[in-house]
Amino acid sequence: DTEVTQTPKHLVMGMTNKKSLKCEQHMGHRAMYWYKQKAKKPPELMFVYSYEKLSINESVPSRFSPECPNSSLLNLHLHALQPEDSALYLCASSPQGSETQYFGPGTRLLVL
Amino acid sequence: QKEVEQNSGPLSVPEGAIASLNCTYSDRVSQSFFWYRQYSGKSPELIMSIYSNGDKEDGRFTAQLNKASQYVSLLIRDSQPSDSATYLCAFPGWSSASKIIFGSGTRLSIRP
Repeated sequence: DTEVTQTPKHLVMGMTNKKSLKCEQHMGHRAMYWYKQKAKKPPELMFVYSYEKLSINESVPSRFSPECPNSSLLNLHLHALQPEDSALYLCASSPQGSETQYFGPGTRLLVL
Repeated sequence: QKEVEQNSGPLSVPEGAIASLNCTYSDRVSQSFFWYRQYSGKSPELIMSIYSNGDKEDGRFTAQLNKASQYVSLLIRDSQPSDSATYLCAFPGWSSASKIIFGSGTRLSIRP
């Protein structure tokens, strides 16, 4: 298995909903990342997990809550989002000792 | 000064010609540089990485790095319509190798 998978592909949610995004990789990578990307902008880093521990939090609002249950799985829990949070949410992973990041297909999120 | 500067384009190149994409950076410490290709609505895909001064060739793609001038470029030979995409240069941040700094991306259009 040589890819990063993300579910769901698309998500529409209201501002009072609670939902979760899921990311999975079975390449043995020990670093996993969440990015947010708005149209015509580069990806913006949100969180980095290294060996299942949160190592970077780019001052993301608490309505986004990451979780890394094991070395293959990364979740992003969403609660009370705002319409401006609508974006493409990308997960990535990288092998130990490497700076190269491999991206999943993303989840396109629309907050109404 | 921004850490990474890229011309946002769009850059229009006729099919079969050479497309030249450029990126300048302000961080003198970085040792690794990456080029990602992103099709509209899709996630970034790593196409080239370069670590040493000089040229690195992979098929129709050539990455060029000049650390003294803080300049990295991507040449695409024999451009095809399928090369039409946004190209993002990236490198690890000085504060943490886990943090990738992305350029704003150059939109490339190959006209038949």
